Amino acid sequence: DTEVTQTPKHLVMGMTNKKSLKCEQHMGHRAMYWYKQKAKKPPELMFVYSYEKLSINESVPSRFSPECPNSSLLNLHLHALQPEDSALYLCASSPSGNMGSPLHFGNGTRLTVT
Amino acid sequence: GQQVMQIPQYQHVQEGEDFTTYCNSSTTLSNIQWYKQRPGGHPVFLIQLVKSGEVKKQKRLTFQFGEAKKNSSLHITATQTTDVGTYFCAGTSNTGGFKTIFGAGTRLFVKA
Repeated sequence: DTEVTQTPKHLVMGMTNKKSLKCEQHMGHRAMYWYKQKAKKPPELMFVYSYEKLSINESVPSRFSPECPNSSLLNLHLHALQPEDSALYLCASSPSGNMGSPLHFGNGTRLTVT
Repeated sequence: GQQVMQIPQYQHVQEGEDFTTYCNSSTTLSNIQWYKQRPGGHPVFLIQLVKSGEVKKQKRLTFQFGEAKKNSSLHITATQTTDVGTYFCAGTSNTGGFKTIFGAGTRLFVKA
């Protein structure tokens, strides 16, 4: 069981669609993250929010747009994606707002772009 | 930039055999974390090492952090089929910005 909840579990979208991934945690953690994971590869950092402010953007294309409405919620808005963006998208949270704090991952959203 | 190298990429063992995965960083680390990801699952945090030369144990798992804080290892004694999965190290360094970088992972297969 995970205390970081991600919805939806699976998503299939066309290249012209707009969709959003959602993440929620109620552990009082101060940092939230988006990671992208391709098959048989490690998680790759995309964005970090620390105390609800975007602190790291790993040069992610603008077709991915993060949003942190409050300390418990994290969204990832998707628009005009490419087939190569198909991957497992993992949300994580950590107690501290500092990098290096242990990560608690959600189950992920498996995204397929057609 | 910071790199974290992890070997081996794959390891096949017979149940009951031991297993070790190794991580090496190009820079001195502030800490190193270990995660396990079961097939079809998500990474689950196992442990964090902070001190030079630190050794921590969790049942059959032994984690070590090198004296120079540039390498780490995870050793599993007497593997079981429940140990199957991919083990990732993740090192945090303040070189070039304070970031946590995942190693490529070691995929463990255990044959009963």
